[in-house]
Amino acid sequence: NAGVTQTPKFQVLKTGQSMTLQCAQDMNHEYMSWYRQDPGMGLRLIHYSVGAGITDQGEVPNGYNVSRSTTEDFPLRLLSAAPSQTSVYFCASRINRGGTDTQYFGPGTRLTVL
Amino acid sequence: AQTVTQSQPEMSVQEAETVTLSCTYDTSESDYYLFWYKQPPSRQMILVIRQEAYKQQNATENRFSVNFQKAAKSFSLKISDSQLGDAAMYFCAYRSAVWAGGTSYGKLTFGQGTILTVHP
Repeated sequence: NAGVTQTPKFQVLKTGQSMTLQCAQDMNHEYMSWYRQDPGMGLRLIHYSVGAGITDQGEVPNGYNVSRSTTEDFPLRLLSAAPSQTSVYFCASRINRGGTDTQYFGPGTRLTVL
Repeated sequence: AQTVTQSQPEMSVQEAETVTLSCTYDTSESDYYLFWYKQPPSRQMILVIRQEAYKQQNATENRFSVNFQKAAKSFSLKISDSQLGDAAMYFCAYRSAVWAGGTSYGKLTFGQGTILTVHP
């Protein structure tokens, strides 16, 4: 199993550009989520999905869109990049039937918006 | 909404010694799960230990153990016999035990993190 994969690893955007961060998992996990990590603030939830076709907002959803057309993929779209979206982005997945089931994280994408 | 607070931005320990990282949380729920994650310089998030709130017994994983005080809403991590490889950022996290129709809707809420330095 490759686990949770994210592409790209690094990205530099100009203000106003749009892009999609890709996330895929091969563990047949129902639950997937996106976090951003900023210095001194831990990880904050952007969007999450409990299964294909179902998504919901997290703590900081503004400026981001998600969709979940398959169990494996959960892309994160930045509609119009802003410097405030400079951050490290993590995708994560877990099965959805247990309580303490381990959440697996991808390696992260470092995004810089100029 | 639940909040998780790690009041120690940085901690240091000598190799082979013991260190305790603090975590408190705020919730009105009675059933939930608590986790400690480790993030080394590689940025990979690694699960260290987890605790179910309904269990009174503190979780233990080799050199890592927790002190779970439910009434005080405290969840500290103790690292025994510290090793150089333990140096990392450590995050405390909370997840609600919210279920509906067989689906778990619990979302992870993280603390701000504690940077642990291990001195040889």
